[in-house]
Amino acid sequence: AQKVTQAQTEISVVEKEDVTLDCVYETRDTTYYLFWYKQPPSGELVFLIRRNSFDEQNEISGRYSWNFQKSTSSFNFTITASQVVDSAVYFCALAPGDNAGNMLTFGGGTRLMVKP
Amino acid sequence: GAGVSQTPSNKVTEKGKYVELRCDPISGHTALYWYRQSLGQGPEFLIYFQGTGAADDSGLPNDRFFAVRPEGSVSTLKIQRTERGDSAVYLCASSLGGSTEAFFGQGTRLTVV
Repeated sequence: AQKVTQAQTEISVVEKEDVTLDCVYETRDTTYYLFWYKQPPSGELVFLIRRNSFDEQNEISGRYSWNFQKSTSSFNFTITASQVVDSAVYFCALAPGDNAGNMLTFGGGTRLMVKP
Repeated sequence: GAGVSQTPSNKVTEKGKYVELRCDPISGHTALYWYRQSLGQGPEFLIYFQGTGAADDSGLPNDRFFAVRPEGSVSTLKIQRTERGDSAVYLCASSLGGSTEAFFGQGTRLTVV
């Protein structure tokens, strides 16, 4: 069975603060994918990143960075210098590494509120 | 259109009625997925199509739920004898193959009264 836990249900920060969203996962698969999605108030899920379980390199994309630690089964997401437009619900997700790589198991989400 | 299109955007139905929710994937995408998102929760997987066939329907909660994709493009999620607990946002996603990035539609908000 696969499971994703996002312990932080809600985070509130002031604009320009850095914020880290935690994600811990459980799987018996040796190959798997990890994802982060953003869900703004409009409701559409916006893809942010997909990471293969064999690639433990951290990744940076602009103000976003991801820290994948296989030893602790964590895939944390950091937003640097947060902005009001970052306010949304963020979901971490896990998928098997076979051809069904988008059969996602989502965490419960973290609601991020960035105040001006 | 350029993205995944879901219709209707909102649907209110009475308990016990039958509903159909439609998903138009991105043109050329062979893989299609349905998810259900209850209020305040993450989406839950329902069913995955590769082409016309359901490759995995393990997420369908019971036999009142059924989905088809007869021509390998548009998909319809069908719910019989709706119950109040079926109220949720139903999300559709598509991808070029099973292991490439999936794009989500904006969902259909189903309310059963």
